[in-house]
Amino acid sequence: AQSVTQLDSQVPVFEEAPVELRCNYSSSVSVYLFWYVQYPNQGLQLLLKYLSGSTLVESINGFEAEFNKSQTSFHLRKPSVHISDTAEYFCAVTKNTNAGKSTFGDGTTLTVKP
Amino acid sequence: DVKVTQSSRYLVKRTGEKVFLECVQDMDHENMFWYRQDPGLGLRLIYFSYDVKMKEKGDIPEGYSVSREKKERFSLILESASTNQTSMYLCASSSPSGYLLSYEQYFGPGTRLTVT
Repeated sequence: AQSVTQLDSQVPVFEEAPVELRCNYSSSVSVYLFWYVQYPNQGLQLLLKYLSGSTLVESINGFEAEFNKSQTSFHLRKPSVHISDTAEYFCAVTKNTNAGKSTFGDGTTLTVKP
Repeated sequence: DVKVTQSSRYLVKRTGEKVFLECVQDMDHENMFWYRQDPGLGLRLIYFSYDVKMKEKGDIPEGYSVSREKKERFSLILESASTNQTSMYLCASSSPSGYLLSYEQYFGPGTRLTVT
C-alpha cells in the first residue's frame, strides 16, 4: 500500500517570502506524483505533476517541485509568494502500474499575510 | 477543457432521508471517483468506477452506494443519511489510458452536504 505524509498542516508566511510545503510518500512500486491546489469553496485543481524525466517540475504560476527518489519526497516550493497563493495544497501519489486511484495527503493550508 | 459538474453546491437533508449526489464529466473519461473531504483528514475515497456499471469500494464505503449507468455520469447515494455524513463531497474523473491519457484527476466544485 502507498501512503502520503504532508509534514505541515498549516504554513503561515508573509507576502514575497519563500515557502516550502513538504511531502513524503511511501510505496513499494514506482509512482506518479502530483500537487493539487484548492482555493476556498472550490474543487481541487492540478498544480503540477511528475511522471518521468526531469526531476524538477514547474507550474505556470511560479511553483516548482523536485522528485527525490532516495528520500521519497516531492516538496513544493515558491521563491516569492503572493496573497493570491493562499489556499490548501494536497500532495498525491498514483502507482504507475495502475494509473487510476490516487492516495492524497491530509493537506497543507498556506496562508500568505500582507 | 475537462469539465466536471456536480448537481448541487449546497444541500441540507434530514436524518434518514435518501440522498442522491450527481456528477457529470464531459471528457469521455473512463475513471470516476467520489471522495469526502473533512478538515484535517484530507480526501478519503468512497467509491471508484473504472467503466460503466463497474465499481470498486474505496477506503470508506460504509453507508454509501454508487451507480454508473452511463460513462459520463456517476451518482453517489446515501441510503439513509446520518449526521456523521455531513461533509464536503468531491467528484473527480481521469483517463488512465488511450488518447485521452491523463493520470491526474479533474475535480468538480464539490457539494457541501449538511444532515440535520
